[in-house]
Amino acid sequence: EVQLLESGGDLVQPGGSLRLSCAASGFSFNNYAVTWVRQAPGKGLEWVATITGSGSDTYYADSAQGRFTISRDNSKNTLFLQMSSLRVEDTAMYYCTKCVQASGWCYFDYWGQGTLLTVSS
Amino acid sequence: EIVMTQSPATLSVSPGEGATLSCRASQSVSAYVAWYQQKPGQVPKLLIYEASTRATGIPTRFSGIGSGTEFTLTITSLQSEDFAVYYCQQYNRWPPTFGQGTKVEIK
Repeated sequence: EVQLLESGGDLVQPGGSLRLSCAASGFSFNNYAVTWVRQAPGKGLEWVATITGSGSDTYYADSAQGRFTISRDNSKNTLFLQMSSLRVEDTAMYYCTKCVQASGWCYFDYWGQGTLLTVSS
Repeated sequence: EIVMTQSPATLSVSPGEGATLSCRASQSVSAYVAWYQQKPGQVPKLLIYEASTRATGIPTRFSGIGSGTEFTLTITSLQSEDFAVYYCQQYNRWPPTFGQGTKVEIK
């Protein structure tokens, strides 16, 4: 059974930093791209960042570029999102998702339960 | 980026009736559209991928159709557990983008 378990969400002041983690199990982690998708309170879904299975390639939404870094440790089946220069508008539930790649990009067949980041003074 | 526009924003349906949800892409995305269901307080769940293929375990009352820029998710005979928000997503071009969602509520 595929499981994705996020952790690390917290209350952070604007300008602060935080690292989210996602522990994966139930599939060959290093064979799949994985993605962070976020959802602000009461809002829709927003893609944040994707990393390929090997970790060699990363992709970011404009809102994350330059402030967030996605990485993975395939030896520990874990995905990370290092976030810095946090803004109030980064407040959201952050979901770790498994990608199924098609046409060069991916849809998301498994989602974690999410971890909540609140950016507020 | 490709903008995915869903309509209507809210759909009021009586249990047992059908529902048709629309999703329009700002440019062609071929058939690379997925649909997700999100119930209140729950995680999004994959329903449909490649416009019309049901994900594992998804009931046959959910069906998708479309290609290019126009996509439809149809739910026949809504059950109580189907009242939720539905999102479409394109994965043909970077960046992957979601629609703003359609809320299916009980009439």
